[in-house]
Amino acid sequence: AQTVTQSQPEMSVQEAETVTLSCTYDTSENNYYLFWYKQPPSRQMILVIRQEAYKQQNATENRFSVNFQKAAKSFSLKISDSQLGDTAMYFCAFMNDFGNEKLTFGTGTRLTIIP
Amino acid sequence: DAGVIQSPRHEVTEMGQEVTLRCKPISGHNSLFWYRQTMMRGLELLIYFNNNVPIDDSGMPEDRFSAKMPNASFSTLKIQPSEPRDSAVYFCASSFRGPGVNEQFFGPGTRLTVL
Repeated sequence: AQTVTQSQPEMSVQEAETVTLSCTYDTSENNYYLFWYKQPPSRQMILVIRQEAYKQQNATENRFSVNFQKAAKSFSLKISDSQLGDTAMYFCAFMNDFGNEKLTFGTGTRLTIIP
Repeated sequence: DAGVIQSPRHEVTEMGQEVTLRCKPISGHNSLFWYRQTMMRGLELLIYFNNNVPIDDSGMPEDRFSAKMPNASFSTLKIQPSEPRDSAVYFCASSFRGPGVNEQFFGPGTRLTVL
Protein backbone atom coordinates (compact mmCIF):
# COMPACT_ATOMS: atom_id res chain seq x y z
CA ALA A 1 0.00 0.00 0.00
CA GLN A 2 1.13 3.51 -0.73
CA THR A 3 1.82 5.92 2.10
CA VAL A 4 2.25 9.68 2.05
CA THR A 5 4.10 11.49 4.82
CA GLN A 6 4.04 15.17 5.64
CA SER A 7 6.44 15.75 8.49
CA GLN A 8 5.59 19.39 9.17
CA PRO A 9 2.26 19.67 11.03
CA GLU A 10 2.44 23.47 11.14
CA MET A 11 4.44 26.23 9.48
CA SER A 12 4.28 29.98 9.45
CA VAL A 13 5.97 32.58 7.27
CA GLN A 14 5.88 36.31 6.79
CA GLU A 15 3.86 37.67 3.90
CA ALA A 16 5.88 37.96 0.65
CA GLU A 17 8.41 35.37 1.78
CA THR A 18 8.98 31.96 0.25
CA VAL A 19 8.01 28.76 2.03
CA THR A 20 8.57 25.10 1.20
CA LEU A 21 6.31 22.30 2.37
CA SER A 22 7.71 18.77 2.47
CA CYS A 23 6.16 15.52 1.33
CA THR A 24 7.57 12.04 0.96
CA TYR A 25 5.82 8.95 -0.27
CA ASP A 26 6.39 5.26 -0.53
CA THR A 27 5.49 3.18 -3.57
CA SER A 28 6.87 0.34 -5.62
CA GLU A 29 5.23 1.65 -8.77
CA ASN A 30 7.08 3.46 -11.52
CA ASN A 31 4.20 5.45 -12.95
CA TYR A 32 1.98 7.55 -10.73
CA TYR A 33 0.71 11.06 -10.08
CA LEU A 34 1.32 13.45 -7.23
CA PHE A 35 -0.82 16.36 -6.14
CA TRP A 36 -0.92 19.24 -3.71
CA TYR A 37 -4.35 20.27 -2.47
CA LYS A 38 -5.17 23.39 -0.47
CA GLN A 39 -7.93 23.48 2.15
CA PRO A 40 -8.63 27.02 3.40
CA PRO A 41 -10.84 27.68 6.43
CA SER A 42 -13.86 27.45 4.12
CA ARG A 43 -13.12 23.70 4.05
CA GLN A 44 -13.18 23.56 0.24
CA MET A 45 -10.50 21.26 -1.24
CA ILE A 46 -8.71 23.00 -4.10
CA LEU A 47 -6.13 21.47 -6.41
CA VAL A 48 -2.96 23.57 -6.38
CA ILE A 49 -0.59 21.64 -8.62
CA ARG A 50 0.03 18.14 -9.98
CA GLN A 51 3.00 16.19 -11.28
CA GLU A 52 3.20 13.13 -13.48
CA ALA A 53 6.00 10.81 -12.33
CA TYR A 54 7.18 10.16 -15.88
CA LYS A 55 7.87 13.86 -16.42
CA GLN A 56 11.29 15.01 -15.30
CA GLN A 57 10.38 18.67 -15.46
CA ASN A 58 9.01 20.09 -12.25
CA ALA A 59 5.47 21.44 -12.46
CA THR A 60 4.85 25.15 -11.99
CA GLU A 61 1.63 27.11 -11.53
CA ASN A 62 2.23 30.82 -11.08
CA ARG A 63 3.67 31.27 -7.56
CA PHE A 64 3.51 27.54 -6.84
CA SER A 65 6.17 25.09 -7.93
CA VAL A 66 7.28 21.63 -6.92
CA ASN A 67 10.60 19.93 -6.43
CA PHE A 68 10.01 16.35 -7.55
CA GLN A 69 12.81 13.95 -6.68
CA LYS A 70 11.67 10.55 -7.93
CA ALA A 71 14.62 8.54 -6.65
CA ALA A 72 14.22 10.04 -3.19
CA LYS A 73 10.42 9.78 -3.39
CA SER A 74 10.14 13.40 -2.41
CA PHE A 75 7.61 15.96 -3.62
CA SER A 76 7.91 19.38 -1.97
CA LEU A 77 5.80 22.44 -2.67
CA LYS A 78 7.32 25.89 -2.88
CA ILE A 79 5.16 28.96 -2.51
CA SER A 80 6.85 32.16 -3.63
CA ASP A 81 5.79 35.68 -2.66
CA SER A 82 3.36 34.24 -0.13
CA GLN A 83 0.03 36.00 0.33
CA LEU A 84 -2.47 36.10 3.17
CA GLY A 85 -4.85 34.06 1.04
CA ASP A 86 -2.36 31.21 1.06
CA THR A 87 -3.21 30.53 4.70
CA ALA A 88 -4.66 27.01 4.66
CA MET A 89 -4.06 23.34 5.24
CA TYR A 90 -2.00 21.80 2.47
CA PHE A 91 -2.30 18.12 1.62
CA CYS A 92 0.04 16.08 -0.49
CA ALA A 93 -1.66 13.22 -2.35
CA PHE A 94 -0.69 10.19 -4.44
CA MET A 95 -2.49 8.33 -7.21
CA ASN A 96 -1.40 5.18 -9.00
CA ASP A 97 -1.41 4.96 -12.76
CA PHE A 98 -3.00 1.57 -13.25
CA GLY A 99 -6.64 2.48 -13.38
CA ASN A 100 -7.54 2.94 -9.73
CA GLU A 101 -8.26 6.62 -9.19
CA LYS A 102 -7.95 6.44 -5.42
CA LEU A 103 -6.14 9.41 -3.87
CA THR A 104 -4.01 8.69 -0.81
CA PHE A 105 -3.49 11.81 1.28
CA GLY A 106 -0.85 12.87 3.75
CA THR A 107 -1.81 14.25 7.14
CA GLY A 108 -1.46 17.85 6.03
CA THR A 109 0.56 20.93 6.91
CA ARG A 110 -1.18 23.93 8.42
CA LEU A 111 0.38 27.01 6.83
CA THR A 112 -0.14 30.46 8.31
CA ILE A 113 0.93 33.59 6.45
CA ILE A 114 1.72 36.38 8.89
CA PRO A 115 0.92 39.94 7.81
CA ASP B 1 -20.61 25.23 -13.81
CA ALA B 2 -22.17 24.65 -10.40
CA GLY B 3 -19.43 22.34 -9.22
CA VAL B 4 -20.05 19.30 -7.04
CA ILE B 5 -23.13 19.79 -4.90
CA GLN B 6 -23.54 18.16 -1.52
CA SER B 7 -26.44 18.20 0.85
CA PRO B 8 -26.96 18.81 3.64
CA ARG B 9 -24.01 21.03 4.52
CA HIS B 10 -24.45 20.28 8.20
CA GLU B 11 -26.19 17.39 9.88
CA VAL B 12 -26.68 16.81 13.59
CA THR B 13 -28.27 13.57 14.64
CA GLU B 14 -28.52 11.26 17.59
CA MET B 15 -26.79 7.94 17.93
CA GLY B 16 -28.76 5.15 16.32
CA GLN B 17 -30.45 7.32 13.72
CA GLU B 18 -30.11 6.81 10.00
CA VAL B 19 -28.16 9.47 8.11
CA THR B 20 -28.19 10.01 4.35
CA LEU B 21 -25.70 12.26 2.63
CA ARG B 22 -26.29 13.31 -0.96
CA CYS B 23 -24.06 14.28 -3.84
CA LYS B 24 -24.56 15.61 -7.34
CA PRO B 25 -21.38 15.37 -9.42
CA ILE B 26 -20.32 17.78 -12.12
CA SER B 27 -22.23 17.14 -15.32
CA GLY B 28 -20.25 14.97 -17.72
CA HIS B 29 -18.03 13.46 -15.05
CA ASN B 30 -18.05 9.68 -14.88
CA SER B 31 -16.20 8.99 -11.61
CA LEU B 32 -17.50 9.83 -8.16
CA PHE B 33 -15.70 9.58 -4.84
CA TRP B 34 -16.72 9.69 -1.18
CA TYR B 35 -14.03 10.79 1.28
CA ARG B 36 -14.15 11.21 5.06
CA GLN B 37 -12.03 13.70 6.99
CA THR B 38 -11.37 13.38 10.71
CA MET B 39 -8.69 14.74 13.00
CA MET B 40 -7.55 11.25 13.90
CA ARG B 41 -7.46 9.63 10.46
CA GLY B 42 -7.15 12.60 8.12
CA LEU B 43 -8.65 12.31 4.63
CA GLU B 44 -9.51 8.81 3.54
CA LEU B 45 -11.35 7.38 0.57
CA LEU B 46 -14.45 5.43 1.49
CA ILE B 47 -15.66 4.34 -1.93
CA TYR B 48 -15.57 5.37 -5.53
CA PHE B 49 -17.71 4.71 -8.58
CA ASN B 50 -16.94 4.76 -12.26
CA ASN B 51 -19.88 4.85 -14.67
CA ASN B 52 -22.17 4.29 -11.66
CA VAL B 53 -20.40 1.03 -10.73
CA PRO B 54 -18.52 0.71 -7.41
CA ILE B 55 -14.83 0.19 -8.20
CA ASP B 56 -13.12 0.40 -4.83
CA ASP B 57 -15.04 0.14 -1.56
CA SER B 58 -12.12 -1.02 0.55
CA GLY B 59 -12.35 2.12 2.66
CA MET B 60 -15.94 1.60 3.77
CA PRO B 61 -15.55 1.12 7.52
CA GLU B 62 -18.24 -1.45 8.19
CA ASP B 63 -21.67 -2.72 7.26
CA ARG B 64 -23.31 0.33 8.77
CA PHE B 65 -22.08 2.30 5.77
CA SER B 66 -23.54 1.91 2.30
CA ALA B 67 -23.28 3.96 -0.88
CA LYS B 68 -25.31 3.97 -4.05
CA MET B 69 -25.14 5.66 -7.40
CA PRO B 70 -28.44 5.02 -9.17
CA ASN B 71 -27.57 7.30 -12.09
CA ALA B 72 -24.78 9.53 -13.39
CA SER B 73 -26.04 12.61 -11.59
CA PHE B 74 -26.72 11.41 -8.06
CA SER B 75 -25.12 9.43 -5.26
CA THR B 76 -25.92 8.77 -1.62
CA LEU B 77 -23.89 7.69 1.37
CA LYS B 78 -25.96 6.17 4.12
CA ILE B 79 -25.02 5.38 7.70
CA GLN B 80 -27.40 3.15 9.64
CA PRO B 81 -27.27 3.13 12.59
CA SER B 82 -25.06 6.15 13.19
CA GLU B 83 -22.53 6.29 16.04
CA PRO B 84 -20.62 9.19 17.63
CA ARG B 85 -17.37 7.99 16.02
CA ASP B 86 -18.94 8.65 12.60
CA SER B 87 -18.74 12.39 13.31
CA ALA B 88 -16.60 13.83 10.52
CA VAL B 89 -16.67 15.90 7.37
CA TYR B 90 -17.75 13.85 4.38
CA PHE B 91 -16.61 15.03 0.96
CA CYS B 92 -17.90 14.00 -2.41
CA ALA B 93 -15.67 14.52 -5.44
CA SER B 94 -16.05 13.84 -9.13
CA SER B 95 -13.79 13.56 -12.15
CA PHE B 96 -13.84 12.66 -15.81
CA ARG B 97 -11.90 9.46 -16.25
CA GLY B 98 -9.99 9.64 -19.51
CA PRO B 99 -6.40 9.38 -20.70
CA GLY B 100 -3.83 10.75 -18.34
CA VAL B 101 -4.31 12.27 -14.93
CA ASN B 102 -7.83 13.09 -13.86
CA GLU B 103 -8.38 16.03 -11.55
CA GLN B 104 -10.86 15.37 -8.81
CA PHE B 105 -13.17 18.27 -8.02
CA PHE B 106 -14.41 18.34 -4.47
CA GLY B 107 -17.73 19.44 -3.09
CA PRO B 108 -18.01 21.69 -0.03
CA GLY B 109 -18.44 18.74 2.31
CA THR B 110 -21.08 17.71 4.83
CA ARG B 111 -20.19 18.15 8.48
CA LEU B 112 -21.84 15.31 10.38
CA THR B 113 -22.20 15.35 14.15
CA VAL B 114 -23.57 12.29 15.87
CA LEU B 115 -24.52 12.93 19.50
